[in-house]
Amino acid sequence: QTVVTQEPSLSVSPGGTVTITCGLTSASVSTAYYPSWYQQTPGQAPRTLIYDTRTRSSGVPHRFSGSILGDKAALTITGAQADDESDYYCVLYLNSGISVFGGGTKLTVL
Amino acid sequence: EVQVLESGGGLVQPGESLRLSCGASGFSFSDYAMTWVRQAPGKGLEWVSSISPYGTSTYYADSAKGRFTISRDNFKNTMYLQMNSLRVEDTAIYFCAKDGKGYQFDQWGQGTLVTVSS
Repeated sequence: QTVVTQEPSLSVSPGGTVTITCGLTSASVSTAYYPSWYQQTPGQAPRTLIYDTRTRSSGVPHRFSGSILGDKAALTITGAQADDESDYYCVLYLNSGISVFGGGTKLTVL
Repeated sequence: EVQVLESGGGLVQPGESLRLSCGASGFSFSDYAMTWVRQAPGKGLEWVSSISPYGTSTYYADSAKGRFTISRDNFKNTMYLQMNSLRVEDTAIYFCAKDGKGYQFDQWGQGTLVTVSS
């Protein structure tokens, strides 16, 4: 069974920079997994931030960026704002139509 | 405006069945794959199942395989999830999502709650 890992929780100061990573227990994450990132606030549907590793979805602020760092996908928020306090999920496309979500990262801005 | 809207959730007993629907508007439905994602109370998102644009290919998470069936009616711009032999652990909000470029889910509904309890 494929497990996608994320930090369960992170914190960042307003104006600071934070990186959330997305890994695989069994392999290195590469662009071939088409990593995507989603933001979800309580009671709301998820919102797409980044797809295909680094492409920002329409309307997403430039402070959100995606990359591959080492053997993981990464979502970096540069200049965090209070309303970035949310849950963040990565998704990896494994192949043959199968996708897997990471466990999610709860980001606190304080 | 692109929209997807789930319906059909409710309270059922373990072992019973339920069919969810996802109505789509604002885009050419038959051009896109579609996906079901669920979220148990207080838990993370879980990919459940996806279906190709014409319904010729379907894909399931291990948790859904053999019990859930995804389908679509492109004439009605609607996707379905038939859920049989429901378990308590299937209790979740079920989201419908439109697949987009780069294997993303680019449009989400607000979800429909399925509660499995005796």
